[in-house]
Amino acid sequence: GAVVSQHPSWVICKSGTSVKIECRSLDFQATTMFWYRQFPKQSLMLMATSNEGSKATYEQGVEKDKFLINHASLTLSTLTVTSAHPEDSSFYICSARLGDTGYFGPGTRLLVL
Amino acid sequence: AQSVTQPDIHITVSEGASLELRCNYSYGATPYLFWYVQSPGQGLQLLLKYFSGDTLVQGIKGFEAEFKRSQSSFNLRKPSVHWSDAAEYFCAVGSNDYKLSFGAGTTVTVRA
Repeated sequence: GAVVSQHPSWVICKSGTSVKIECRSLDFQATTMFWYRQFPKQSLMLMATSNEGSKATYEQGVEKDKFLINHASLTLSTLTVTSAHPEDSSFYICSARLGDTGYFGPGTRLLVL
Repeated sequence: AQSVTQPDIHITVSEGASLELRCNYSYGATPYLFWYVQSPGQGLQLLLKYFSGDTLVQGIKGFEAEFKRSQSSFNLRKPSVHWSDAAEYFCAVGSNDYKLSFGAGTTVTVRA
């Protein structure tokens, strides 16, 4: 139980394009999902909290217009990186909350050329 | 503000030997504490968690952790490591809004 998927698992895009990453809770409903970013050899940094039916809340320093989050249903949250640039290249990981615990997806590796 | 320190960046241990990973946290109230493991290029798998009650917590894969409030620590242990335990280990502290703050991680290498 408590399985979270992400799609795509990796993506390469050109600078200036937008990329959408999906996070799905497969066997439970999650009113709250979290998006993290992880740079190589570093820890995870919380970007934003995605709440079903309401606006996402962003951590300090994260541009909400660049990282668009939509929590369309109790099992799906999407992160869209708009006008991507090479510095946005990273590993993006989502977490879906079940009770008091966050269960993580396998991550999406984004490379912006 | 909550924070986590993992003092050891890299630990090398022989297969069959014991393992202990250190974690110190800073949080004003009773913390929610977690240990996650990450294999290369993968997401995070929950090993164990502590919210309240018994301070010695048992997890998956033979791992356990002990919460010590007086030392603000939540160290992870395993009596006998297997080669498959080689991975990155993250300690995290959560608050009542369920946001997690992660430590920098400890890389575990297992030698034959």
